[in-house]
Amino acid sequence: EVQLVESGGGLVQTGGSLRLSCAVSGFTFSGYWMSWVRQAPGKGLEWVANINQGGSEGFYVDSVKGRFTISRDNAKNSLYLQMNRLRDDDTAVYYCTRELYGAPEDWGPGTLVTVSS
Amino acid sequence: DAVLTQSPLSLSVTLGQPASISCRSSQSLVHRDGTTHLYWFHQRPGQSPRRLIYKVSNRDSGVPDRFSGSGSGTDFTLRISRVEAEDVGIYYCMQGTYWPPHTFGPGTKVDIK
Repeated sequence: EVQLVESGGGLVQTGGSLRLSCAVSGFTFSGYWMSWVRQAPGKGLEWVANINQGGSEGFYVDSVKGRFTISRDNAKNSLYLQMNRLRDDDTAVYYCTRELYGAPEDWGPGTLVTVSS
Repeated sequence: DAVLTQSPLSLSVTLGQPASISCRSSQSLVHRDGTTHLYWFHQRPGQSPRRLIYKVSNRDSGVPDRFSGSGSGTDFTLRISRVEAEDVGIYYCMQGTYWPPHTFGPGTKVDIK
């Protein structure tokens, strides 16, 4: 069974940093693109970033470029999102997803990030 | 970025009746490789999204056959042949042809009359 479990969310001050992690199991992690998708409270879904199987290429939505870094450790079956210079509008539930056929297929339960001054 | 619009934004359906949601893109979603990267997701209240349909019309594993996707170019439709109580929630379309970023539609909220 595919499992994705995010951790690392919490309350952080505006301008601060946070590192999200996603532990996966039930599939060959190194064989799949992975991504982060977020959802602000009461709002829709927003794709944030994705990364290729080997971790050599990461892609981002413009609003997080230069502030967020996606990475992975295939030996540890883990995906990460380093978030720096956090803004109030980064407040959201962050979902870790496994991509298949070019889009998120499996989703974790999400971790809430609250940015507040 | 490709902008997706959905209609209606809210839908009340009688149990057992059909439902249909439209998704329109600001540009054709046909990729240069000939495939169309349009997807549908369902999010029940308080839950993570679940993908229903990939590449316009392919149902994901475990998705009931009452769900179907169709369309081409810029116009796409998700149909539910007979709505059941568990189908309530928000439905999102998403495009993966022009990325980054993948973009989602605003969502269509479905409830039971």
